[in-house]
Formats: sequence, structure tokens, C-alpha cells
Amino acid sequence: ETGVTQSPTHLIKTRGQQVTLRCSSQSGHNTVSWYQQALGQGPQFIFQYYREEENGRGNFPPRFSGLQFPNYSSELNVNALELDDSALYLCASSPRLAGGVGEQFFGPGTRLTVL
Amino acid sequence: GESVGLHLPTLSVQEGDNSIINCAYSNSASDYFIWYKQESGKGPQFIIDIRSNMDKRQGQRVTVLLNKTVKHLSLQIAATQPGDSAVYFCAEAYGGSQGNLIFGKGTKLSVKP
Repeated sequence: ETGVTQSPTHLIKTRGQQVTLRCSSQSGHNTVSWYQQALGQGPQFIFQYYREEENGRGNFPPRFSGLQFPNYSSELNVNALELDDSALYLCASSPRLAGGVGEQFFGPGTRLTVL
Repeated sequence: GESVGLHLPTLSVQEGDNSIINCAYSNSASDYFIWYKQESGKGPQFIIDIRSNMDKRQGQRVTVLLNKTVKHLSLQIAATQPGDSAVYFCAEAYGGSQGNLIFGKGTKLSVKP
């Protein structure tokens, strides 16, 4: 167990709907990263949040957005869902060290199915 | 995202044998590399990391080798156990931090008792 929790564990939505996924970071970790993992593939970086601001973004459209709260927890929002958004969404928390972001600890993920 | 098949490369080994999992990374500027283990229904779990100023690093039963000339990374698991069965991913990062991890495609390790 990493101490990173995500909710919900599973979710089913239909095309065009909006979804919000939640992540609670490990105690003491102030940086949260989100990844999308399609079936049979490695995780792909969506974005990272530090001090409540986006601090790096992967190749994902603007309909993927996020928030980080003062307690370092985070949300991932996806608007106008598409079938290809079906995936496991992983949250990872990490400490911010002098040399940059430290080791990332992953949560168990949220399985999103878009019908 | 990149288009890949649903079938991961699979490595099948006998319990007690040594396992070697290979990975080709993409960015010659990457300077930090990590191996993750992902069991079914769980998020990736850190195994071992290595920085680009090293070519070998050892942990408990695991060794990572880095060949920057050919952009190749390998994970060696000694005395493989049934509990090692999982999907293994290599990941790369640059800038001396893990800010943006780029994951490889994964290898499924199956350990036969």
C-alpha cells in the first residue's frame, strides 16, 4: 500500500458526459501526477500539479483538466467523453525535493468505461 | 496515444530461475530511469531506479543495467518467485527529476511453480 487513494474504483459513463476522478496523496507529498493507462499499454502522462497549479502537461486535449487543493488532494476532470477515454486512470503523489520531483507513488487507479 | 496491440510481450520462467526483462528507451536526453511492477488491479509499484551517470545498480534480488550507447535498459530478477508474476514497465525521465515519466510498453512475467 502506497497511501495514495483514488475514488471511485470503477465508473461507467456514456459518450458526451463529463467525469470527475479524485485522488488523495500520500501524507507529506505536495505533487500529484495523473496518468492514463489504456488496456495492454503503459501509463501515459496527462499532467502534474504542484502548489495548486498545473506544472507540466502531456499530449492530451484541453477537455482533460485538473485541480489541486490546499491539502494536496487532486481531481481529474474529463469533459465530452469519448469511447477512447476508456482506460485506467492513475494518480501518483510525490514529494518535491531540492533536485526536483521525488519518487512517484501510485494509487490503485480508477477504471473508467465509456459506452 | 501511441497505437500498440493488446498483447504484451511475455516472458515465462521457472520458479528459481533468473529473469531478464529488456527495454528500449526513446529519448537520448533522458537521465533517470525506473522499473515498475504492476500486478493485476493495482497501480505501478517502484522496484529500482538508476541515473544516467551509472551503468549498473543493485537492489534486493534485482539489478538494473543501463546502456546509454544503444538506449537500452534491463531488469534482472534473481531466483524468480511466483510473487514476481506481474507486468513490468520501464520508465524514463529527464531533467534529473521524475516530473514527467515516459513509460515503455511493458513485459508480462509469468513464473511457473
